[in-house]
Amino acid sequence: GAVVSQHPSWVICKSGTSVKIECRSLDFQATTMFWYRQFPKQSLMLMATSNEGSKATYEQGVEKDKFLINHASLTLSTLTVTSAHPEDSSFYICSANVNTGELFFGEGSRLTVL
Amino acid sequence: GDSVTQMEGPVTLSEEAFLTINCTYTATGYPSLFWYVQYPGEGLQLLLKATKADDKGSNKGFEATYRKETTSFHLEKGSVQVSDSAVYFCALSGSGYALNFGKGTSLLVTP
Repeated sequence: GAVVSQHPSWVICKSGTSVKIECRSLDFQATTMFWYRQFPKQSLMLMATSNEGSKATYEQGVEKDKFLINHASLTLSTLTVTSAHPEDSSFYICSANVNTGELFFGEGSRLTVL
Repeated sequence: GDSVTQMEGPVTLSEEAFLTINCTYTATGYPSLFWYVQYPGEGLQLLLKATKADDKGSNKGFEATYRKETTSFHLEKGSVQVSDSAVYFCALSGSGYALNFGKGTSLLVTP
């Protein structure tokens, strides 16, 4: 199947700093990618839909100025958590769909904000 | 809005036991239904899916039938193995290709 890769898989940062997480489709082009957030023992919550060459579409309640999404190419979407705070600590997962509609997920990135 | 409810875990079973993980959904229209699996330290993988009522998805010995009358998509396996230990997520298709997920059910299979 298609491969989606995230980097870094684990990051620790200080409160107030910004962190960038990359999501790459390795063997296919993805015009649309999705960013999810997973809290411990909770479901995956869709944060935003990332569209190549245009602005991301954010779900209700997600701060677009805090969670900056850029989808500059057909194989790369980035999520930047700006001015991170401890409550932003979470597991962030990206996914991309191939033209059959099937979704493939990255390995996830665990963010810890101190 | 659309939502998925699945049984809470953790579920602990002995090897070769029968597995059922319940999943029910609420949705407008006719969504597609999915089961995803997350093995320790790995990303989510599609396990099986069903796109319309009465469809049965199956893979690796797991099965689930799309029941419109009971709005359910329960996951079953006749004989689990230690290697099946993972977290299982039920999901339905939302707008576009985004998915709505249940909270996940952790399964531990002991030898």
